[in-house]
Amino acid sequence: KNEVEQSPQNLTAQEGEFITINCSYSVGISALHWLQQHPGGGIVSLFMLSSGKKKHGRLIATINIQEKHSSLHITASHPRDSAVYICAVRSGGSEKLVFGKGTKLTVNP
Amino acid sequence: DSGVTQTPKHLITATGQRVTLRCSPRSGDLSVYWYQQSLDQGLQFLIQYYNGEERAKGNILERFSAQQFPDLHSELNLSSLELGDSALYFCASSLAGDYNEQFFGPGTRLTVL
Repeated sequence: KNEVEQSPQNLTAQEGEFITINCSYSVGISALHWLQQHPGGGIVSLFMLSSGKKKHGRLIATINIQEKHSSLHITASHPRDSAVYICAVRSGGSEKLVFGKGTKLTVNP
Repeated sequence: DSGVTQTPKHLITATGQRVTLRCSPRSGDLSVYWYQQSLDQGLQFLIQYYNGEERAKGNILERFSAQQFPDLHSELNLSSLELGDSALYFCASSLAGDYNEQFFGPGTRLTVL
């Protein structure tokens, strides 16, 4: 079993829909990252969180440390949100990241 | 633009060869991380340097080595290349410490023929 599991693996939505991507992990962590990888390959860091909730524009990330679970929400989705979203965790005491396999999101106009 | 630069952008070489990938971190960042992204394995952590010293090691093959220089740029050396080494290699940098965000470079796409 992978240390970091994401669901769903693939997600297709219509423009304007509310999107949720889930991430579960099995180890104690010091931080969780949400990353966005565009079709061209570049990776952008969206959020880094260790508790609670963060919001940036239409993106919201939450984490529940007790349940070892995080969600990434996208409100009013747009075709430009089409990308692979990757969850990564940093185990306590280590700076190395362990990655989920990613969720491929396609938003159709 | 994350402020992290990587060169070259693309690299095509043959099996058995040796290549060097270069990374310049964001100004002020002391930590550099190297990651490999292949189609079958996803993103994997290779190695981290902090202010010139190796800090953490992941799934890095013995044929691979890295170093961080006094000006904080880093190089990843891949030798005796195999077809399976074809992948995207990302460098990321952070200020330091356990709670710092990592900023990713654009990656180097390595193709081994």
